[in-house]
Order: sequence, then structure tokens, then C-alpha cells
Amino acid sequence: DAGVIQSPRHEVTEMGQEVTLRCKPISGHDYLFWYRQTMMRGLELLIYFNNNVPIDDSGMPEDRFSAKMPNASFSTLKIQPSEPRDSAVYFCASSLGGGGQVDTEAFFGQGTRLTVV
Amino acid sequence: KQEVTQIPAALSVPEGENLVLNCSFTDSAIYNLQWFRQDPGKGLTSLLLIQSSQREQTSGRLNASLDKSSGRSTLYIAASQPGDSATYLCAVKKRNAGNMLTFGGGTRLMVKP
Repeated sequence: DAGVIQSPRHEVTEMGQEVTLRCKPISGHDYLFWYRQTMMRGLELLIYFNNNVPIDDSGMPEDRFSAKMPNASFSTLKIQPSEPRDSAVYFCASSLGGGGQVDTEAFFGQGTRLTVV
Repeated sequence: KQEVTQIPAALSVPEGENLVLNCSFTDSAIYNLQWFRQDPGKGLTSLLLIQSSQREQTSGRLNASLDKSSGRSTLYIAASQPGDSATYLCAVKKRNAGNMLTFGGGTRLMVKP
């Protein structure tokens, strides 16, 4: 498996524009996570899905942020309209939920570096 | 709310030294703890995963321990090399919190030749 694949790797956009980040999880993984990393706040969970269903979106900063997972192999994170303070690295991760006492590793994509000017 | 702290925030050592990175968490009700490595401008690479029922895990020169009762984990790196230079992050998966990970702020390690 090629691992978690994110696109684009880099995105530069003007304030007010819509930005869409994409993620392909590892095949067979039933959990998908979107994280944001900044120097000030480190890694923060934005939202996660289980079996394509959003479970917890309490980390989504504002209504400008939305995420979807239309099927098991694809997810998007959309920011509309984008603002300079949204500049960060956005990571997607996936894992296989083992449940009970045993659980599995989370695997991360290479991230999308977003710059909003 | 689970809080994860990593000390020190930055560490610089000469090549060949054995070193210990520390991670502490406030809520001991965890499923597991995972150590990651992050190189500049790159994603996170999983190094070791310790289940809540385990005390330690080893991979090559890396050894991670877990003491749930005290809310601590350590990552031991033996015979450090310049290639070990990176940021090391620990993350805990809390029970009854879905499958989400809570991350520490990381330790930025520099191993000098």
C-alpha cells in the first residue's frame, strides 16, 4: 500500500478563495482523521470519521471549515472563504480501529502546506 | 480533558550519546501511546506503539516505556546518530474518546556529528 495520500502537497491561495484538500486513506482502514499543525498550537484534531461517518467535529474552528467522506477511499477538507490565519500544514491520517484493549497505529500522510495570502 | 506534555522542548547532543525523551499525560485511561518522528517539512512517521496493557516496546535502537499509573512514557534512543535529528512526538489515544489521538508539543532533537 502506498500509505495515506494527500493532495496537493502545497497550496497558495488568496484570502477569500475556496480551498479543497484531499486525502486517500490506507485501504481497509475504517478511521480517518484531519489534523492541523501550526507552530503556535502544534497538532490539533479537526474532525474524524468512522466508516465514512463524521464522529467528532468539535475541533473544526469555524463554519468556514467543512469535511466530507463520500466513500471509504476519499475525503475532503474544504475552507470557504479562506483567511491568512488558516495558513498551516494539514494532515490526514487513517487507522484500523481494533476496539477493546488492542488498537492499531495511526498512519499519516505527508501533509498539505497551505498558505493564504 | 487529556493533556500531553513533552520535555524537553529541544535537545542537542553529540553523536553516540544515549538519550531519553519524556512524555507525560494527565488522564491514565488510555488505549495506547504512540511515538512519532517528524522531519522538517514532512509528515509523521510512526516509530512505536505501546498498548495500554504493555510496559515497553523496542525497535532497533529505540525503546519506549509506558507507566500508565504515573502518566508517563519515555523514548530511549541508544547510540544516537545525526540521522536521528528530527522532532519526536508522542500521542495518546484515550478510552471512550473514539479513536482520536492527543499530541504533545514534541521534542526537537539535534544530534551533532
